[in-house]
Amino acid sequence: AQTVTQSQPEMSVQEAETVTLSCTYDTSESDYYLFWYKQPPSRQMILVIRQEAYKQQNATENRFSVNFQKAAKSFSLKISDSQLGDAAMYFCAYRGGAQKLVFGQGTRLTINP
Amino acid sequence: DTAVSQTPKYLVTQMGNDKSIKCEQNLGHDTMYWYKQDSKKFLKIMFSYNNKELIINETVPNRFSPKSPDKAHLNLHINSLELGDSAVYFCASSYGLAGAGDTQYFGPGTRLTVL
Repeated sequence: AQTVTQSQPEMSVQEAETVTLSCTYDTSESDYYLFWYKQPPSRQMILVIRQEAYKQQNATENRFSVNFQKAAKSFSLKISDSQLGDAAMYFCAYRGGAQKLVFGQGTRLTINP
Repeated sequence: DTAVSQTPKYLVTQMGNDKSIKCEQNLGHDTMYWYKQDSKKFLKIMFSYNNKELIINETVPNRFSPKSPDKAHLNLHINSLELGDSAVYFCASSYGLAGAGDTQYFGPGTRLTVL
């Protein structure tokens, strides 16, 4: 069974600085996708970014980018120019052939003004 | 123009009661899901339906019964509620089974509290 691990329960960063959230996963599949979801206090789950495992190029979405290391099974999220609105729980998720999302434990990100 | 909606958003009930949570999506997706988020924020799949057919049933007690009247709706019925059922329940949807890359879009969640 696939597992996803987020080893940082909490992180904090100064506004306008850069922060990196870590995620590792375990799978024997070769075709899969990885996602980062954001859950602000409103509780809504919001897709931040996704990465196809067959693509070597790291995905980027504005201030959000990933560092995907397939051999190391690592998928970290970098947030540049952090803003107060980035404060939230961040979940790393895996989706393979079973079609279900497997989530990590989450990282609570605090932005200090 | 809510894409995935759930009702109710909050549900407080007594142990032993039966309750339902409704989910509707207007994205034209074929696949819908129920996830449970526990008090430690851990999210786990419960069920998945594709075109009204159950495709994932993830070791959930049989007190939980999903029902899909059509591909735009997936309701969750819970019998004989227990304290441990208290959680946030999320509905999600995606285009279908065509590959693992379909992005899942989530509803706002339903916070269930069992007293």
